[in-house]
Amino acid sequence: AAGVIQSPRHLIKEKRETATLKCYPIPRHDTVYWYQQGPGQDPQFLISFYEKMQSDKGSIPDRFSAQQFSDYHSELNMSSLELGDSALYFCASSLVSSRGGLYNSPLHFGNGTRLTVT
Amino acid sequence: SQQGEEDPQALSIQEGENATMNCSYKTSINNLQWYRQNSGRGLVHLILIRSNEREKHSGRLRVTLDTSKKSSSLLITASRAADTASYFCATDAYNQGGKLIFGQGTELSVKP
Repeated sequence: AAGVIQSPRHLIKEKRETATLKCYPIPRHDTVYWYQQGPGQDPQFLISFYEKMQSDKGSIPDRFSAQQFSDYHSELNMSSLELGDSALYFCASSLVSSRGGLYNSPLHFGNGTRLTVT
Repeated sequence: SQQGEEDPQALSIQEGENATMNCSYKTSINNLQWYRQNSGRGLVHLILIRSNEREKHSGRLRVTLDTSKKSSSLLITASRAADTASYFCATDAYNQGGKLIFGQGTELSVKP
């Protein structure tokens, strides 16, 4: 079965540079989530999209932005990179049963992009 | 953590023993989910328990949920070396768009 695809797998950038991470959700999934996981930390929610519209926002710095395109793939854009941005960035997708209703859908995670800022 | 505590933070056992991990959370939830993560890899969904359920089984996994105490436990029976990983609980809270809030995780080491 198709899984969530993230690219690139590894990315090395210098301070103040920009980075773009891509995510291809499982076909027919309507919701995409982005998470950041620092070393030894739990995943922290950044932002989500439902049917290509931003649906929720977490602890995402103003230097970061994201969007979901017409083909449902999503991109996380990160500018003015800082050393503290070094982390694993995960994308996940799910099929949400209905907006405003009960959600009982597991998230399917990609293998992540390891970003190293030097 | 955004959500709560997991304990223990690290657990080391021998193959064949049972492993129990606990999780506490802060908000009212739709469901609670457990995920497994091998080092540097993505999170893999293990089991989902709804807020109106008290116990759920899946193979060697047993999950309990106590909404009055806002806590859950994951039991892995007859552990194997391949179970070595980090285990996270995550809550899907009401009106939160399906996003999951993760606990700090338990690092399980199963020695052969």
